[in-house]
Order: sequence, then structure tokens, then C-alpha cells
Amino acid sequence: GQQVQQSPTSLVLQEGENAELQCNFSTSLNSMQWFYQRPGGSLISVFYNPSGTKQSGRLTSTTVIKERRSSLHISSSQITDSGTYLCAMERRSSGQKLVFGQGTILKVYL
Amino acid sequence: AQTIHQWPVAEIKAVGSPLSLGCTIKGKSSPNLYWYWQATGGTLQQLFYSITVGQVESVVQLNLSASRPKDDQFILSTEKLLLSHSGFYLCAWSPANTEVFFGKGTRLTVV
Repeated sequence: GQQVQQSPTSLVLQEGENAELQCNFSTSLNSMQWFYQRPGGSLISVFYNPSGTKQSGRLTSTTVIKERRSSLHISSSQITDSGTYLCAMERRSSGQKLVFGQGTILKVYL
Repeated sequence: AQTIHQWPVAEIKAVGSPLSLGCTIKGKSSPNLYWYWQATGGTLQQLFYSITVGQVESVVQLNLSASRPKDDQFILSTEKLLLSHSGFYLCAWSPANTEVFFGKGTRLTVV
């Protein structure tokens, strides 16, 4: 089964609204990372967040390892935030570095 | 600063033809290296990883192979492409057990 579940699958917001993206893991993990995937496909690391809360500008990530979940909060969304957000968990066993979720597609409009 | 360079940016290849994709990491010695693949509309999957020169481990079998001929170079290849090989290939690196950084990727279309 799917080891990493992201929700929602897609999200449409008006500029200025806040977004909350969720990531749940079915197995234990060592760490996790959030990425922004550009329309062309390349990945930009947004947060490397083993645990706790991290903030960068309008973005905040919270990871609770024991509860196997992580969230990405985007405050005051902007049109340029539109795109696909991926979460990935790190598992050091079996050689898998990162196991990805299917992504949340965010669309922000005026 | 570390940089990661992937080549080519895009390829259109015929079924049955060979393929070679490359990746070079500069500014970091002995990085862990990874190949990932994403089918159109699909989830990113890890294909291979390498923690040292000459050593490559397979994670997902897709009739592809990988090699690490130099400390800073990772090659993905196959002798015969299948239609199912189409997609987006990403090379990545990390220091041991920390954040992963990705290249810009190669878009492969098999026709």
C-alpha cells in the first residue's frame, strides 16, 4: 500500500488565503522533506524537517515523528505559490532514501 | 558551494535504442548519489543509489542500469529502451543521512 499519503490532492485558493498541506506516513521514518515541483519537473527543497517546527518566510513545516505526520502551512498565498508540493519520508533501511507522496497541486488565483 | 548538473535536458529516443543519462556533482567529496524516475502523472520513485565509487544498488527494477565510474559522476543507462521508460529522470545527492538535493532532470520521450 501507499506508504506516504498526501492531502488534499488539489487545492484552489484565492490570493491571500492560507493553505494547509498534510502528509501521513504508514511506516516509521527517520526524517522527512518537503519539495516544490516546478511545472517543468525540477524539485526545489522547501524544508528538511526531521522533527518539530521550522519556518521560512510565509512557509511553516511541522513534523511529528511519533504520529507519523507532517504539514506544510502557507500563509497569505500568492499566485507564484502555485504548483505541486511533494512530501517525502526518509527511510534508511532497504536502501530507499526518500519515499514520495503523490503530491498536492496548489492553484492560487487573483 | 555544491552544484549538480544533469545531461541531457531532454531526449527523444526510439524504442529499442540505447540510452545514457549523466549526472555530475561538484563541490562535495564522496556524496551519496541517487536516481529517481517519474512517469507522466506518476509518483517519484527511487531507482538506484550509490554510496561510493563503483558500488551501485538497485531499488526498483525497470530494465535500467546505473554506474558510478567516478566519485562525482553517476550514469543511468540501458541498451534497449521500452515505451515504459518515458518520463522524467532526476539525479540527486546527499551528505550521509541528511537533506537530499536534486538536479534539474532529464525529460525522456520514447517513441
